[in-house]
Amino acid sequence: AQSVTQLDSQVPVFEEAPVELRCNYSSSVSVYLFWYVQYPNQGLQLLLKYLSGSTLVESINGFEAEFNKSQTSFHLRKPSVHISDTAEYFCAVSEGGQGAQKLVFGQGTRLTINP
Amino acid sequence: DAGITQSPRHKVTETGTPVTLRCHQTENHRYMYWYRQDPGHGLRLIHYSYGVKDTDKGEVSDGYSVSRSKTEDFLLTLESATSSQTSVYFCAISESTFYGYTFGSGTRLTVV
Repeated sequence: AQSVTQLDSQVPVFEEAPVELRCNYSSSVSVYLFWYVQYPNQGLQLLLKYLSGSTLVESINGFEAEFNKSQTSFHLRKPSVHISDTAEYFCAVSEGGQGAQKLVFGQGTRLTINP
Repeated sequence: DAGITQSPRHKVTETGTPVTLRCHQTENHRYMYWYRQDPGHGLRLIHYSYGVKDTDKGEVSDGYSVSRSKTEDFLLTLESATSSQTSVYFCAISESTFYGYTFGSGTRLTVV
């Protein structure tokens, strides 16, 4: 069975500093990779995804993630964070192909931005 | 979230009672999912559906059942609630493999 490990449960950073949230997955087969963000008392929202092609994917609010097949990683980065980025971030993986897309989620990383 | 609603938003129930949570979508998506969210565990799949009357078990299905009699509704039932089922439950929908999930706002269930 697939598994996803988010290496940090909490990451505190100062505003305008860079941040990296780490994610490793176990599957060696073709996979689809996702990052979701959850703001307090809300559901999860899709931040970005990797399906195929370029290994660097970007979101509309400045986050980017790089798919590294050899290291089975999909780390999330942002060069300069804002207070509004405070949230919990979840990495998720599913196997490629047709049918129901059963996502396996990591444990989550709580990102706290300090002024 | 637009197109997907969960009800109720909050519920407190007693151990041993049956509980049903509802997920309703207006997007006509084929796939629907129920997850539970617990601290330190992220989200874990309970059951999912790939069409009307077509459902299957996920990772943590013991103690839960589901039904989908219409495309738009996916019900999650706790047959006899236990304290270990205290959690936040999320419903999600997807159109296909390529689009990711759209999540509902969640139901916070407390079993006392």
